[in-house]
Amino acid sequence: NAGVTQTPKFQVLKTGQSMTLQCAQDMNHEYMSWYRQDPGMGLRLIHYSVGAGITDQGEVPNGYNVSRSTTEDFPLRLLSAAPSQTSVYFCASSSPGQGRTEAFFGQGTRLTVV
Amino acid sequence: AQSVSQHNHHVILSEAASLELGCNYSYGGTVNLFWYVQYPGQHLQLLLKYFSGDPLVKGIKGFEAEFIKSKFSFNLRKPSVQWSDTAEYFCAVNEIDNDMRFGAGTRLTVKP
Repeated sequence: NAGVTQTPKFQVLKTGQSMTLQCAQDMNHEYMSWYRQDPGMGLRLIHYSVGAGITDQGEVPNGYNVSRSTTEDFPLRLLSAAPSQTSVYFCASSSPGQGRTEAFFGQGTRLTVV
Repeated sequence: AQSVSQHNHHVILSEAASLELGCNYSYGGTVNLFWYVQYPGQHLQLLLKYFSGDPLVKGIKGFEAEFIKSKFSFNLRKPSVQWSDTAEYFCAVNEIDNDMRFGAGTRLTVKP
């Protein structure tokens, strides 16, 4: 029962570097999303996808890109990392099904940008 | 703007004390309501959820929450906390078929 798998768990980047955070789920969920968690601010939605080929912006999308070529995978790309992107990132998936959504979360990626 | 507010940022209790964490939301339509818990170093796990029906919802580990529609509130309660309840608690709300929004979280510290 893998659920939602995120890689890597930890990453240190230099300012200006690019990288991709991976997220995969094996529950056949249509809905996937990326959040960042910062102290005192809870979880803020970055991008989300309601199905393969469809993505949309959340509350804090600037500096991040996403794509959804398959139901299972939803990678998050940082094209030019900035110190303000230091955070813990969580991927989540759910199957709305008549609106009864319960999100399942990955273990998180702790990203530090120096 | 739609928002989720958790009034307490950090709560410190002794073991066996009762707990109530506040959560209010500003969505106007039909909503689903959730409480998630995050133990130190771990990911978020669902404590309980409300979709419809009885407004008093019972979750895992002795937690419960009450949905009061007129107050737009969904407060989390536990009659007697344990040291192992030390964690961060997040209230979350989503309108039907829309994305989930989270409160800022409440850190609970239970002293043995």
